[in-house]
Amino acid sequence: EPEVTQTPSHQVTQMGQEVILRCVPISNHLYFYWYRQILGQKVEFLVSFYNNEISEKSEIFDDQFSVERPDGSNFTLKIRSTKLEDSAMYFCASSESGAFQETQYFGPGTRLLVL
Amino acid sequence: AQSVTQLGSHVSVSEGALVLLRCNYSSSVPPYLFWYVQYPNQGLQLLLKYTSAATLVKGINGFEAEFKKSETSFHLTKPSAHMSDAAEYFCAVKVTDKLIFGTGTRLQVFP
Repeated sequence: EPEVTQTPSHQVTQMGQEVILRCVPISNHLYFYWYRQILGQKVEFLVSFYNNEISEKSEIFDDQFSVERPDGSNFTLKIRSTKLEDSAMYFCASSESGAFQETQYFGPGTRLLVL
Repeated sequence: AQSVTQLGSHVSVSEGALVLLRCNYSSSVPPYLFWYVQYPNQGLQLLLKYTSAATLVKGINGFEAEFKKSETSFHLTKPSAHMSDAAEYFCAVKVTDKLIFGTGTRLQVFP
């Protein structure tokens, strides 16, 4: 069964450093998402991406964040200058379409720790 | 604004007992509702979803949920808990193209 994959599974970085989280969505999917889950809190939407453009972004997704689909398979989330509060589990998801009933399939996540 | 509320951050049941995880929604339009499960150190896996085709929705691993408009609820049930059901369960509502999640319910199953 096709699945969303994410690398790395864990990343430790120093405050102020740039990090890039990588995702490979399911191959025939056209819509891509990033969510995050701070330890002990709910899963929160960050951004959605379709046709090489951001469709929607949350208040969390400020100028420090960017997303890119650099080739036909990868989808990346970049945090330019990490803060302590960026420590969280970051989930990538993809869906075949943007329809309301469409399922979003999640990857296993990247646990980011900012020191 | 559309949202979901999950009552009970922790639920404990004995193996073989009924599982009931509660989710109430707030929406001015017919909602699209989802239940996801997160096993330890894993991502979110879809259990089932409500898309208005049927009010009783059957999902994977023996779980089902019933959409009740009069109660604005979409509770998740399983007749007989198994040890392998121990996980965190999230209810979510689709708003535009994003999922809005509840705070989650951690299910513990005791032998």
